Amino acid sequence: SQQGEEDPQALSIQEGENATMNCSYKTSINNLQWYRQNSGRGLVHLILIRSNEREKHSGRLRVTLDTSKKSSSLLITASRAADTASYFCATASGTYKYIFGTGTRLKVLA
Amino acid sequence: NAGVTQTPKFQVLKTGQSMTLQCAQDMNHNSMYWYRQDPGMGLRLIYYSASEGTTDKGEVPNGYNVSRLNKREFSLRLESAAPSQTSVYFCASGRDRGPELFFGEGSRLTVL
Repeated sequence: SQQGEEDPQALSIQEGENATMNCSYKTSINNLQWYRQNSGRGLVHLILIRSNEREKHSGRLRVTLDTSKKSSSLLITASRAADTASYFCATASGTYKYIFGTGTRLKVLA
Repeated sequence: NAGVTQTPKFQVLKTGQSMTLQCAQDMNHNSMYWYRQDPGMGLRLIYYSASEGTTDKGEVPNGYNVSRLNKREFSLRLESAAPSQTSVYFCASGRDRGPELFFGEGSRLTVL
């Protein structure tokens, strides 16, 4: 069973616009991570937010976490064509069992 | 610095054949993982190894076996491949401090 579910499944925006994707999860977590996957490649870690944090920034990335709603959002500001990829949230209910969501496919049009 | 290396990158098998996917990491990480990725399903954990000498089942372990050969290497074996095992397989490793995972580039397996 999937722990995380991303929404929307697919998103298409113009270069320079902001992209927002959401992740919902089912059980209590220690932390939540976001990963990016370029087509045909492995996943790359983007950012981590711990359960006692509400917001975190890294460059053009902003992540929020609402543990009461069991949800997180990833905002990419001023998107670029190079941001075209799939984005996954991952949660850990224990130390090693990282569970990934189904992903959001982002397409940034130049 | 190679990171996580998976071999082979592509493989075609016939139903019933066996094969082993190899994974090696050069980052001195203790934990290693095998995931499979199917369209619309995201990544699902097959097996993981918290440290050398230990392995544990993930979400979808049926039809697979693993071996943590040493700290660097973690292999995934399909004893009798089935078409349902057609997928992209990813190996990952993780540090002791911090939950970030480092992924290989994937192994694309087709079972006919």
